[in-house]
Amino acid sequence: DAKTTQPTSMDCAEGRAANLPCNHSTISGNEYVYWYRQIHSQGPQYIIHGLKNNETNEMASLIITEDRKSSTLILPHATLRDTAVYYCIVRSWNYGGSQGNLIFGKGTKLSVKP
Amino acid sequence: GAVVSQHPSWVICKSGTSVKIECRSLDFQATTMFWYRQFPKQSLMLMATSNEGSKATYEQGVEKDKFLINHASLTLSTLTVTSAHPEDSSFYICSARRGLAESYEQYFGPGTRLTVT
Repeated sequence: DAKTTQPTSMDCAEGRAANLPCNHSTISGNEYVYWYRQIHSQGPQYIIHGLKNNETNEMASLIITEDRKSSTLILPHATLRDTAVYYCIVRSWNYGGSQGNLIFGKGTKLSVKP
Repeated sequence: GAVVSQHPSWVICKSGTSVKIECRSLDFQATTMFWYRQFPKQSLMLMATSNEGSKATYEQGVEKDKFLINHASLTLSTLTVTSAHPEDSSFYICSARRGLAESYEQYFGPGTRLTVT
């Protein structure tokens, strides 16, 4: 089972920031938080990942709470093309084994509206 | 990011036949490849993990004799659905990672839509 909880769906106005929350209250010390998204009928696309510090790249920002039990993915200026299902995944960085596999939950369906 | 391709992008086959799906890492060598399956309106379900030159590790509930996985080279993995039935109709997605360690990023292919009639 996925170790994260996300809202089923969210709406966002085009041009506004989209803030997608994720709860991962059972996260352990060697687990990272990953975000992927899946546009309809395509393979998942990597967005960003982090351990405990906030991270930013050209796509998004990731804010992780100090206790690491939750995080927020921020798309600063959402466009219609950002409409997708967003998956928050916790994943360990242990060598080998199945702990490092990406296990997808149900994700959040983000609808960006004009 | 790295590019992973799949072929074909969609396929229709008759019940009882076998279908092979190819997954290639185009610009990196993938020590580890993964196969996922996604039914309509559901999330991705991991089917199996394969390391180059080794037998695949299947997730619980996935029949290894039905879903044959071959990872013979560092850039190619194949999934063969044997004796396909309509309930095997699904979206099959492969993923590739550069190394055994999970510190390497994992990239996904565009998916293959299989319809069994």
